[in-house]
Amino acid sequence: DTAVSQTPKYLVTQMGNDKSIKCEQNLGHDTMYWYKQDSKKFLKIMFSYNNKELIINETVPNRFSPKSPDKAHLNLHINSLELGDSAVYFCASSQAQSVSIQYFGAGTRLSVL
Amino acid sequence: AQSVTQPDIHITVSEGASLELRCNYSYGATPYLFWYVQSPGQGLQLLLKYFSGDTLVQGIKGFEAEFKRSQSSFNLRKPSVHWSDAAEYFCAVGVRGGADGLTFGKGTHLIIQP
Repeated sequence: DTAVSQTPKYLVTQMGNDKSIKCEQNLGHDTMYWYKQDSKKFLKIMFSYNNKELIINETVPNRFSPKSPDKAHLNLHINSLELGDSAVYFCASSQAQSVSIQYFGAGTRLSVL
Repeated sequence: AQSVTQPDIHITVSEGASLELRCNYSYGATPYLFWYVQSPGQGLQLLLKYFSGDTLVQGIKGFEAEFKRSQSSFNLRKPSVHWSDAAEYFCAVGVRGGADGLTFGKGTHLIIQP
């Protein structure tokens, strides 16, 4: 059973479109995260959610919006996609309120044409 | 704010040889430290972590790392590498007391020569 699962694994789309990436964890964790890995493999935190509340929001364009229907899910919605949004997006989860081990999904490779 | 430096972008090692990947961090207090590995096209897998206590930590796949506060380092080692160890290795630091994300280094790409 996959602990942190993301769908889709690959996403190819045109500039200007709106797309969503889904993430689900079955670990019973309270905190979930989205990271972006750029073409040089640099990983940077985008968002984290703790008990459905946004905890941090780094300097991410407001075209990106995390949506959490419950604590097991944290979806990433992206409006008006741009070429620079092409990257691999990773979802992760951990136990709440303290830094602990983060478990990562397999990633979603987004290509904007 | 915390930061992580992995000074080696690429490292090439012969199969069976020993390995050391360097990691230096910057943070005002005692950090949480992690090493993750990413195989091509895969997600990140945790190799080992340091939270407190013994400064030499053992991980999976025969890896170990040593926390040296005086040098702000957390270097990863393996006595004998296997071809399957070829991957991207990331050092990361976490901040105590909050549900913050991890701050990652830029990664070290490990190449194994036969």
